[in-house]
Amino acid sequence: NAGVTQTPKFQVLKTGQSMTLQCAQDMNHNSMYWYRQDPGMGLRLIYYSASEGTTDKGEVPNGYNVSRLNKREFSLRLESAAPSQTSVYFCASRGVYEQYFGPGTRLTVT
Amino acid sequence: ILNVEQSPQSLHVQEGDSTNFTCSFPSSNFYALHWYRWETAKSPEALFVMTLNGDEKKKGRISATLNTKEGYSYLYIKGSQPEDSATYLCAFMAGSNYQLIWGAGTKLIIKP
Repeated sequence: NAGVTQTPKFQVLKTGQSMTLQCAQDMNHNSMYWYRQDPGMGLRLIYYSASEGTTDKGEVPNGYNVSRLNKREFSLRLESAAPSQTSVYFCASRGVYEQYFGPGTRLTVT
Repeated sequence: ILNVEQSPQSLHVQEGDSTNFTCSFPSSNFYALHWYRWETAKSPEALFVMTLNGDEKKKGRISATLNTKEGYSYLYIKGSQPEDSATYLCAFMAGSNYQLIWGAGTKLIIKP
């Protein structure tokens, strides 16, 4: 049982480049989330998807887009990366209440 | 703006000692309070989900209490061990949309 998987684990981008972070879960969960984690701050919600076919903005959506491709997969896209998007990105899915996290993607934008 | 505060920010504890730390959250529109454990180089993992005022949860040497009327939860670790070293996150769920508002965490370091 793989749980929540994310790719890539590390990425370095130049300002203005684009990339997609991939996330998949095998627990048949309806809800999935994308967070960013910055030093000294709590996890901040970027986007979430309550079910297949729906997505909604979280606290910090600017500069990001998401796609809920199917029940398993929820991707996060940076269209034009900026240094302010340097962060660790976590994908999560929700069971009854608790959330299950992927291993994270450490993104650096230079 | 809903805010979740955790204190202290970091904590050094001697192996074998017991310790506790605090999560403060808004007392209105409470739905649930989560505690997660986050070890270095790993992902956060759920410890407890608490929904009722006066709830007490226990898992081994770790326990948590909840006071929704005054907006706080305590996490206790009895007889700290080196493997308890981690960042402990709490998260507040306001309403039934299941979105979590996260505290910045308490980083616990156990000294042998």
